[in-house]
Amino acid sequence: KNQVEQSPQSLIILEGKNCTLQCNYTVSPFSNLRWYKQDTGRGPVSLTIMTFSENTKSNGRYTATLDADTKQSSLHITASQLSDSASYICVVSESGGGADGLTFGKGTHLIIQP
Amino acid sequence: DSGVTQTPKHLITATGQRVTLRCSPRSGDLSVYWYQQSLDQGLQFLIQYYNGEERAKGNILERFSAQQFPDLHSELNLSSLELGDSALYFCASSVVSVMRTDTQYFGPGTRLTVL
Repeated sequence: KNQVEQSPQSLIILEGKNCTLQCNYTVSPFSNLRWYKQDTGRGPVSLTIMTFSENTKSNGRYTATLDADTKQSSLHITASQLSDSASYICVVSESGGGADGLTFGKGTHLIIQP
Repeated sequence: DSGVTQTPKHLITATGQRVTLRCSPRSGDLSVYWYQQSLDQGLQFLIQYYNGEERAKGNILERFSAQQFPDLHSELNLSSLELGDSALYFCASSVVSVMRTDTQYFGPGTRLTVL
């Protein structure tokens, strides 16, 4: 069964610090991996999308990495800001790209403290 | 603002009732996706429509149905509601029918509470 596991479940860091969120998956065959940011009570917003051949992708202070061999991804946030407080969701897509081939992680809840 | 609109924002109803959630995709997007998000389950894909036709189906209950109209707006119908159906329901849209690396844009969601 395809699974996406995210760690940690929750994380509290001080404003200005860096942090790294992890995503491990068993989805096969792999197509792509997405990271979303979801503010409380709002819809998810896409941060990055990576295919099999991409090792890293950045979006401002967010940098995602992908190791397709070990089936691991990480999302690194640099110089955190209060507005980074949100849930971060990892989503892995099966080859074929259909919406029914998406497997969602349960997210990491990140709190940035002043 | 993603450009995807959903109504209503909040909905409170009783068990056994039927409700309709509405979604308007971004201008130019032909695909509409419906998701359910509950506290313990995370986001779950329900169903996708592309240009009026059902394209992909996820964990959608038989009590739930959806359709996409010629103007591309979509409705999700939930019937015989149970307490466990209480959740946030999101609609998302994208340009293409097969996602691959296409970006999905999510709406603000409808919070459904079943009492």
